Amino acid sequence: LAKTTQPISMDSYEGQEVNITCSHNNIATNDYITWYQQFPSQGPRFIIQGYKTKVTNEVASLFIPADRKSSTLSLPRVSLSDTAVYYCLVGEEGGGNKLTFGTGTQLKVEL
Amino acid sequence: EPEVTQTPSHQVTQMGQEVILRCVPISNHLYFYWYRQILGQKVEFLVSFYNNEISEKSEIFDDQFSVERPDGSNFTLKIRSTKLEDSAMYFCASSERSGGRSETQYFGPGTRLLVL
Repeated sequence: LAKTTQPISMDSYEGQEVNITCSHNNIATNDYITWYQQFPSQGPRFIIQGYKTKVTNEVASLFIPADRKSSTLSLPRVSLSDTAVYYCLVGEEGGGNKLTFGTGTQLKVEL
Repeated sequence: EPEVTQTPSHQVTQMGQEVILRCVPISNHLYFYWYRQILGQKVEFLVSFYNNEISEKSEIFDDQFSVERPDGSNFTLKIRSTKLEDSAMYFCASSERSGGRSETQYFGPGTRLLVL
């Protein structure tokens, strides 16, 4: 199980791009990188997943360098409603059922 | 968009009482999960369930806990004799295919359980 390290907190302002980097030095060949978002008193919500290079969807982009030892979640033009905890998870496809959450990154967006 | 639903949203109980938390997973999903989050702490895995059997459970999921899919739609978590430390937010989740970590799990809004 690859250990992940991400900043405990980040602050931003509305309209800015936010990049949250996650380190996963021990990532295995079969591991995928997945990001979840959690608002206060709500369940985690899937944002994006990738294996290598770049993935983009309507919510975010995920950048993964060639060595895959880190990944960066990019949120374009954040708003107040993006204030949440963001979790980086690393694990193997079919390797197990459970999701293992760390402490995540608390993103606070202000006006 | 289909979603996982949970009832009740809040539950207050006395220590030693039994509680049943209910979940309705997304209809075509085959894998079901319970997680919990104590206030201010991490989301913790409790149990996964597939084909009417427990697939995996954590150390937290001891004999006081049980899960059941009593019909084609509901998925329940029972705590037989609640303890103060069971106070937490309980999340149900479901996924469509294999429960591998790359498979998206959809979470419900949670049930906040308070044990007095």
